Amino acid sequence: EDQVTQSPEALRLQEGESSSLNCSYTVSGLRGLFWYRQDPGKGPEFLFTLYSAGEEKEKERLKATLTKKESFLHITAPKPEDSATYLCAVPFHTGFQKLVFGTGTRLLVSP
Amino acid sequence: NAGVTQTPKFRVLKTGQSMTLLCAQDMNHEYMYWYRQDPGMGLRLIHYSVGEGTTAKGEVPDGYNVSRLKKQNFLLGLESAAPSQTSVYFCASSNGQGALGETQYFGPGTRLLVL
Repeated sequence: EDQVTQSPEALRLQEGESSSLNCSYTVSGLRGLFWYRQDPGKGPEFLFTLYSAGEEKEKERLKATLTKKESFLHITAPKPEDSATYLCAVPFHTGFQKLVFGTGTRLLVSP
Repeated sequence: NAGVTQTPKFRVLKTGQSMTLLCAQDMNHEYMYWYRQDPGMGLRLIHYSVGEGTTAKGEVPDGYNVSRLKKQNFLLGLESAAPSQTSVYFCASSNGQGALGETQYFGPGTRLLVL
């Protein structure tokens, strides 16, 4: 069964306290993994695409990494403005490339 | 570049009423998608289109219809709204260049409440 699981569901950090979010998936023949950020009342905003195990991408305080079974979104020295829900998604090919989303990790960074 | 826009932003319907949600993109993308987002469920694909004049069913198509008469527009219709269709609806688009794993860009969403 196509599945994308994110953990934890929610994470509360102090400003400057680094941590990681996890996205695990079950799919054969990975065709990419996407990370999005979603602010309350807004649409998902694209962050990264990773295509192969060992790949890493960075943007400001965020770094995404990929293994054969999971991806991590590392947040280094977060700031309150990093508070958001982070979604990951994986394409599953079932006649059509369907993006399957995880339910997200709600991140709250306190000053 | 406005990207992906959606109208309306918010709507309240009574059970049995109909409405149409409009999505427009100015990125000349071939593919367009309609998702719904419900608490604890994640984003789920309702319908999608791989080009002007084409539509296809996604994961949860029942109770919805779509049309893509122009490349830049994708309409989602609810013929007879039900309380179970209370949700936040997102439109997305991608360039459809044939490569798997292409990025989808999302609109700001439409919040629909069906009473």
